[in-house]
Amino acid sequence: DAKTTQPPSMDCAEGRAANLPCNHSTISGNEYVYWYRQIHSQGPQYIIHGLKNNETNEMASLIITEDRKSSTLILPHATLRDTAVYYCIVKNRDDKIIFGKGTRLHILP
Amino acid sequence: GAVVSQHPSWVICKSGTSVKIECRSLDFQATTMFWYRQFPKQSLMLMATSNEGSKATYEQGVEKDKFLINHASLTLSTLTVTSAHPEDSSFYICSASAFGQENTEAFFGQGTRLTVV
Repeated sequence: DAKTTQPPSMDCAEGRAANLPCNHSTISGNEYVYWYRQIHSQGPQYIIHGLKNNETNEMASLIITEDRKSSTLILPHATLRDTAVYYCIVKNRDDKIIFGKGTRLHILP
Repeated sequence: GAVVSQHPSWVICKSGTSVKIECRSLDFQATTMFWYRQFPKQSLMLMATSNEGSKATYEQGVEKDKFLINHASLTLSTLTVTSAHPEDSSFYICSASAFGQENTEAFFGQGTRLTVV
């Protein structure tokens, strides 16, 4: 059973903010929201994770709704190098990562 | 982020031979390592989880005698594909994590593309 639901693909214009949604309506209290991305033919890259509060780092921002049933990953100024498959994962801290199908993000020049 | 190095990046082998793939955590001690396989246009599929010094735990449907995993130290895990066949051709990716410590993000190697001819 998939714990998260993501759109299969999205487009974003270069220089604009890319907002990637993720639904996780069955998330439990101890589970975190993690985001990874995979650029073609490379290993996945960790982006960000959070539990309840919004988080920001040098790569992205993570906005988690108050009920924690959904979240949004924001890439503030998308570049062509951000073209990748983005995975939203819900899990306990020490659990293995099970990948879903993710969202294929195309950055348009 | 932490660095996980995987070697080799690609390998071509003859059917029936064995191939060993190494995964090293370069700047942290990885208490847990994971091995994934990815076929073209598909997502990553978890094969097994290994903890340092103990036997690997394999996911359902993954043959433990075919995919031998060794995690002898906190910085090295190896995956050996034994008696490889063309259907084993895939992209193999390792991941390392320091579970039990403050930061528990998993970090991934660059992957190994295996082609069995």
